[in-house]
Amino acid sequence: DIVMTQSPDSLAVSLGERATINCKSSQSLLYTSNKKNYLAWYQQKPGQPPKLLIYWASTRESGVPDRFSGSGSGTDFTLTISSLQAEDVAVYYCQQYYGNPRTFGQGTKVAIK
Amino acid sequence: EVQLVESGGGVVQPGGSLRLSCGSSGFTFPDYAMHWVRQAPGKGLEWVSIISGDGDTTNSADSVKGRFTIARDNSKNSLYLHMTSLKSEDTALYYCVRDGRCSSVTCFGWFDSWGQGTLVTVSS
Repeated sequence: DIVMTQSPDSLAVSLGERATINCKSSQSLLYTSNKKNYLAWYQQKPGQPPKLLIYWASTRESGVPDRFSGSGSGTDFTLTISSLQAEDVAVYYCQQYYGNPRTFGQGTKVAIK
Repeated sequence: EVQLVESGGGVVQPGGSLRLSCGSSGFTFPDYAMHWVRQAPGKGLEWVSIISGDGDTTNSADSVKGRFTIARDNSKNSLYLHMTSLKSEDTALYYCVRDGRCSSVTCFGWFDSWGQGTLVTVSS
C-alpha cells in the first residue's frame, strides 16, 4: 500500500497569514504516460463530510476559493492557504488515487492563532 | 446538484450483519464508479470499497475483504454495502462517495461528492 504522511499534524496561523501543509507519499504518484500526479486534497470541517479542494495535485475544484493552491510532484506535495480565513478552520487530508487501495494522509488540523 | 443520502446504520453486536444503503440524485448514476469510505470516531479516513458504474466489477480494502460486499442497483440509483462478521474495529461513520473521474474500477479518480454518512457501532 502507498503510505501518505502529512506534516505537521496541526498548525495555528493568524488570520490573513499563509498556511502550508505538506504531504509525502511512499512511492511516486506521477503517472508517466499522462504526466499527471494522482493526488487530491480534502477539507473536513467539524461535523461535516470531507470536501474536495484539489485534484491532479494542483487543479482546483469548481467553487473552491483561489486562496487554496496545490503544488508538488512525484512524492512531495503541498497545500497552501495563501491568506487564512476563519472559515478555513478544518482538518485537511491528502489522498492518493494512483493505485488500490486509495490511501489518505493522517490529516492536518488548522486552527487560528 | 449531486446528492448522496446514506441510511441503514445502527448498533450491532460483534459478529452481526448490517446493510447500508445510499440513494443518489442530481447525476447519471450509471456513469460513475462509487465508493464507500469510513471514518472511525475522532480518526482519519479509510477507503473501503469501489464498484464500477455497471456494477460488474468491485474491489475492497484487505481489512474488509471477504466480509463486506459492495453492490448497486442502477434502476434505483442506489448503492449498498452488505457487512457481515462485524468487528469492533468496523465502528465508524460510513460515507457514500462518488468517483470524480471514472466509471470503471481500473481507472483511478478522486472523490468529488460525499454523503453525510451513516454511523455503524459494533458493540456488545
